[in-house]
Amino acid sequence: DQQVKQNSPSLSVQEGRISILNCDYTNSMFDYFLWYKKYPAEGPTFLISISSIKDKNEDGRFTVFLNKSAKHLSLHIVPSQPGDSAVYFCAASGTGNQFYFGTGTSLTVIP
Amino acid sequence: DTEVTQTPKHLVMGMTNKKSLKCEQHMGHRAMYWYKQKAKKPPELMFVYSYEKLSINESVPSRFSPECPNSSLLNLHLHALQPEDSALYLCASSLKQGLTNTEAFFGQGTRLTVV
Repeated sequence: DQQVKQNSPSLSVQEGRISILNCDYTNSMFDYFLWYKKYPAEGPTFLISISSIKDKNEDGRFTVFLNKSAKHLSLHIVPSQPGDSAVYFCAASGTGNQFYFGTGTSLTVIP
Repeated sequence: DTEVTQTPKHLVMGMTNKKSLKCEQHMGHRAMYWYKQKAKKPPELMFVYSYEKLSINESVPSRFSPECPNSSLLNLHLHALQPEDSALYLCASSLKQGLTNTEAFFGQGTRLTVV
C-alpha cells in the first residue's frame, strides 16, 4: 500500500523556467515531509523539508508547499538549471521511525 | 558534517559467501536505517535502529542480519543471498528528538551484485 505517491514519473522543463513536482499522501498522521534528489547509483541527497505546522518553506531556488487538507505537497524549483536534472523523491514521516518514500519523478532540465 | 559513510561502494558475492556492509556517522544521530533500492523504484525500508536497539524489521529474510555495535556504526551481515537480492543498499541516519523526526541523511550506498 503506497502511502506516498508521485503520479508523474517524469517531467521536462526548459532551463530558466519553473519546475513543479507534486506529491500526494494518504496518511493524515504524517507530520513531516521531505524532498530528496537522487542521481543513479548514489544515495538520496536531502533538499528541503516542511513540518505540518507550516504551509511553505523556502530555501534558495527551492520552495516546498504543503496543503494538509488536500494531503498534497509540491516542490518548486525556480529558475531550473541543467544540474537539477535528477530523480526527485518526496518522503513523509509521523511519530514513528519510518520515512515513507514516493515513487519518484525524473526531472530533465533542457538547456 | 552531514556525512554518512558506507563501505564498500561495490560488492560482488557468490550465493554461498558471507559478507558485511558497513555504515558510519558521527552526527550524533540516534536513529539509523537500512534501505534497499532496485532500479527505478523508491528506497524500501529494511531495518530501523533507534538508540542502538532494533525498532523495525520490515519482514526482511533472515539472510540479512543487521547489527548496531554502537551509536555511530551500523552493519548489515549478508549470508546465502539470492541473485534477486542484487540492489543498491542505502544506510541513513536521523536525529531523533523525542517523537519528532528530522531529515534523514543517506550514504552513497553499496551496489551489491549476487552471482
